[in-house]
Amino acid sequence: AQTVTQSQPEMSVQEAETVTLSCTYDTSESNYYLFWYKQPPSRQMILVIRQEAYKQQNATENRFSVNFQKAAKSFSLKISDSQLGDTAMYFCAFMKTGDNAGNMLTFGGGTRLMVKP
Amino acid sequence: DAGVIQSPRHEVTEMGQEVTLRCKPISGHNSLFWYRQTMMRGLELLIYFNNNVPIDDSGMPEDRFSAKMPNASFSTLKIQPSEPRDSAVYFCASRSPASGRIQYFGPGTRLTVL
Repeated sequence: AQTVTQSQPEMSVQEAETVTLSCTYDTSESNYYLFWYKQPPSRQMILVIRQEAYKQQNATENRFSVNFQKAAKSFSLKISDSQLGDTAMYFCAFMKTGDNAGNMLTFGGGTRLMVKP
Repeated sequence: DAGVIQSPRHEVTEMGQEVTLRCKPISGHNSLFWYRQTMMRGLELLIYFNNNVPIDDSGMPEDRFSAKMPNASFSTLKIQPSEPRDSAVYFCASRSPASGRIQYFGPGTRLTVL
């Protein structure tokens, strides 16, 4: 079974600054996907970024980027130029691939990020 | 395009009552997932369907929970009888083979069982 750990229950950052959210996972799989989802107060789950394990290049989406360290089983999210709208819960999630059972997401416990003006 | 649609958005019921949550996946998506979010257990998968067929229901807490997908555009999650510990936010998500493993979530149903 896979486990996903987010060791920072809460974090805060000043507007316009950079913050990094940590995520580690445990798996014996070699092929998988990793995701960061954002859940603002509206509780809607919104995909932030996705990383395929076989790709060495770190994924980026505008102000969001990841540091994927496969050997260390680490998948951190960096938010640059933080904006007030980034205030939300952030969930790291794991999905193994290869068969139908691999479509399930396993989530970490979440990190509550507050961006301060 | 409409996203995943869930109804109701909020449900308050009394212990022992039957509760039915509804989900309409994104058109063209062939996989559908039901998740539950609680403070104690976080986000956990309850069941998922592929092409309307239940593939894995190992996350369903107990026999009081049942889920159906009679066609590609509709799914229900039923709790009978409901208990206070079932209070949670229930999410439905869907994906297509072309979506690069991305699951698209609905807005969730907040269930309160008194």
